[in-house]
Amino acid sequence: EVQLVESGGGLVQPGGSLRLSCAASEFTFSSYEMNWVRQAPGKGLEWISYISSRGYTIYYADSVKGRFTISRDNAKNSLHLQMNSLRVEDTALYYCVRLHSGYDGSPYWYFDLWGRGTPVTVSS
Amino acid sequence: QTVVTQEPSFSVSPGGTVTLTCGLSSGSVSTTYYPSWYRQTPGQAPRTLIYSTNRRSSGVPDRFSGSILGNKAALTITGAQADDDSDYYCVLYMGSGIWVFGGGTKLTVL
Repeated sequence: EVQLVESGGGLVQPGGSLRLSCAASEFTFSSYEMNWVRQAPGKGLEWISYISSRGYTIYYADSVKGRFTISRDNAKNSLHLQMNSLRVEDTALYYCVRLHSGYDGSPYWYFDLWGRGTPVTVSS
Repeated sequence: QTVVTQEPSFSVSPGGTVTLTCGLSSGSVSTTYYPSWYRQTPGQAPRTLIYSTNRRSSGVPDRFSGSILGNKAALTITGAQADDDSDYYCVLYMGSGIWVFGGGTKLTVL
């Protein structure tokens, strides 16, 4: 089955660190750009980071820039998010999300495959 | 900082038609923002409905359609059904790899 499975979430104190992972299966992971999207409890979705298919291009939302680091290991079909200097407001469900891009007369991009998410709670 | 705006809530009667919108705090939404729409039910991951303004994702019924209405992206649901009762999110591509989600619309079918 084509899927993304996140892991690594948990409870951490403010200022602490956590490393999230996402395992991809049944598709050619190295061909896809990937993202992390989070959702705070009872709140909306927030895009936080993007990485190109080979990992050469990376972007972050201002809310996490300088604190979070996205990376990938195409040999292991895995995506990671290193989260440092965590804050209470980083508490959320973190989704690993595949970006589908292509061209069929005009370019298109959209988030086409989502994992079930891994919860992160930052609290003292 | 650019904010993507959506109606916080909307209601529609079963069988009715509803149009949800996705705008910008400053400026107009156009096709160059590649607007896409997602539906999320409680406890579930989002599901893609519409991408690149008006293209339906695989398996999405033609009751769902996307467009640009005035200065906003729009999602229209015709023949609303009980299981359309969900949260709906739009997301816009801001360029330079940056995506911004709207705050979401809670649609009630009653």
